[in-house]
Amino acid sequence: GDSVTQTEGLVTLTKGLPVMLNCTYQTTYSPFLFWYVQHLNEAPKLLLKSSTDNKRTEHQGFYATLHKSSSSFHLQKSSAQLSDSALYYCALNNAGAKLTFGGGTRLTVRP
Amino acid sequence: EAGVTQSPRYAVLQEGQAVSFWCDPISGHDTLYWYQQPRDQGPQLLVYFRDEAVIDNSQLPSDRFSAVRPKGTNSTLKIQSAKQGDTATYLCASSPGTISNERLFFGHGTKLSVL
Repeated sequence: GDSVTQTEGLVTLTKGLPVMLNCTYQTTYSPFLFWYVQHLNEAPKLLLKSSTDNKRTEHQGFYATLHKSSSSFHLQKSSAQLSDSALYYCALNNAGAKLTFGGGTRLTVRP
Repeated sequence: EAGVTQSPRYAVLQEGQAVSFWCDPISGHDTLYWYQQPRDQGPQLLVYFRDEAVIDNSQLPSDRFSAVRPKGTNSTLKIQSAKQGDTATYLCASSPGTISNERLFFGHGTKLSVL
């Protein structure tokens, strides 16, 4: 079956440093990949999505590139802000409506 | 636009008690999902509906969990006899359709603690 792996459960950064959260996946089909963000006491909401190989997609300063050759969809940002502190989930959909989530990465940005 | 509404926000039970969670999706969204999110884990799909029909409930523990969406709008998830392992946040989400690139709109969730 499908699976999504986020290797870091916890990432702590100082404000202004670059962010990179890892996401790799396994599927037998051609997938859509998503990043969802969940701030404290809020609902998860979509940050980015892509299905196009080797094309960078951006939103709110975050960006990610789907690389089908390495089955990766890492989330990046050039400069972390305090407001970026949240849970980040990578997710995969390869057929129909069923979304499979990774375990999540908790990002904490310190002053 | 009104979002996905869930109630209650919190529930605390003793083992063996029953509990129901209610979800009101975004108007016009025909697909509704229930996810279980244990602490410090990603959401795991329990069941999803298109209109009133169950599309996939393969991950729903059918001996104790049930879910309905009788008119294709609101939905109820029920746990018949809760166990400590059911402690988690239960998220409801909706989407306009069932194609692969649809984004899901999530509610705030119901945080369940089973003592």
